[in-house]
Amino acid sequence: GAVVSQHPSRVICKSGTSVKIECRSLDFQATTMFWYRQFPKQSLMLMATSNEGSKATYEQGVEKDKFLINHASLTLSTLTVTSAHPEDSSFYICSASLWLIHTDTQYFGPGTRLTVL
Amino acid sequence: EDQVTQSPEALRLQEGESSSLNCSYTVSGLRGLFWYRQDPGKGPEFLFTLYSAGEEKEKERLKATLTKKESFLHITAPKPEDSATYLCAVQRGFAGGTSYGKLTFGQGTILTVHP
Repeated sequence: GAVVSQHPSRVICKSGTSVKIECRSLDFQATTMFWYRQFPKQSLMLMATSNEGSKATYEQGVEKDKFLINHASLTLSTLTVTSAHPEDSSFYICSASLWLIHTDTQYFGPGTRLTVL
Repeated sequence: EDQVTQSPEALRLQEGESSSLNCSYTVSGLRGLFWYRQDPGKGPEFLFTLYSAGEEKEKERLKATLTKKESFLHITAPKPEDSATYLCAVQRGFAGGTSYGKLTFGQGTILTVHP
């Protein structure tokens, strides 16, 4: 149980184009989803928190207009990287939150490797 | 500000050589401490949640413990397939707003188990 998928797993795009990444909770409904970014040999950095039907809450330093998040249903959140540039190349990981016993537990997707040329 | 520090940064073990990973934390009102395992190029895999000091949880060769300031992940008789990065994260008590439930991660410990 508690499976989270991401699509695509890997994407290469040209500078200036936009890329959409989907995150789905396959076997549970998640009121909250999170988007992270991970650079090589570094830990996960939270980018934003997404609640179904609400505007996302972005962490300090994350550009809202560049990283558009939509959480249209209890099982789907999307991250769109607009006008991507080489510095946006990274590993993007989503998580979906499931209440277990005392608190919410985040289950992570497999990640999306974005390369901007 | 919540802080999580993991040590060592890297640990190399021989198969069967037991050891422990440390996670020291500072958080305002701990709601939960989480351990995840991450393989290269993949998302983190959930292992354990600990809620209060004195709590212990086990899964196969792994055992997680929690005190008021730190958590340990004990690995007993590790095998090569236990090689991965182990991440510790803390979740603070309800802070209100739409950031409820967010995690603060440590830098991770890279574990390599040689046959």
